[in-house]
Amino acid sequence: GAVVSQHPSRVICKSGTSVKIECRSLDFQATTMFWYRQFPKQSLMLMATSNEGSKATYEQGVEKDKFLINHASLTLSTLTVTSAHPEDSSFYICSALRGAYNEQFFGPGTRLTVL
Amino acid sequence: SQQGEEDPQALSIQEGENATMNCSYKTSINNLQWYRQNSGRGLVHLILIRSNEREKHSGRLRVTLDTSKKSSSLLITASRAADTASYFCATDAQGAQKLVFGQGTRLTINP
Repeated sequence: GAVVSQHPSRVICKSGTSVKIECRSLDFQATTMFWYRQFPKQSLMLMATSNEGSKATYEQGVEKDKFLINHASLTLSTLTVTSAHPEDSSFYICSALRGAYNEQFFGPGTRLTVL
Repeated sequence: SQQGEEDPQALSIQEGENATMNCSYKTSINNLQWYRQNSGRGLVHLILIRSNEREKHSGRLRVTLDTSKKSSSLLITASRAADTASYFCATDAQGAQKLVFGQGTRLTINP
């Protein structure tokens, strides 16, 4: 159990376009999901906490109008990178919270390349 | 901000040897979790250890937690080439759900 999927796994887009990334918990319900960003050979940096039915909570320095998060159901959260630029190129990973002990289960990640 | 520091940053050992990675953190925690990440992939959950636990085992993995020293260790016994990956510890500060990750240890198992 505790499988989280992400779609797409890889996306290449032109500068100025918007890209939507989906994160799904496949075999459990997740009130809370998280979005991370990871640069090559670095650790994960939390971008925002996605809460089902309410607004996301963004970490300091993360532009909420740039990275739109929607958590419309207990199994789906989406991250939309609006007006993407080359500096937004990165590996984006989501996780879903399960259980009483705050176990987080991660998706396989989405590699975004903005040309 | 990063709460955890891991050492070593990189570790290279021969197949069959044991690998030990350490993690230190700064604030009081509820739990500490260890994850594995293969290059370009997502994170695989390995073990969660609660703050009132001192040691936990899962297969070839052994995790210890010393809350007085704010540190944890991950031991992989009888290493295999497939264990080659980056290993991260992550902590959740008391009262918070979000995790803060250490910088990770890049483990290489040489056949």
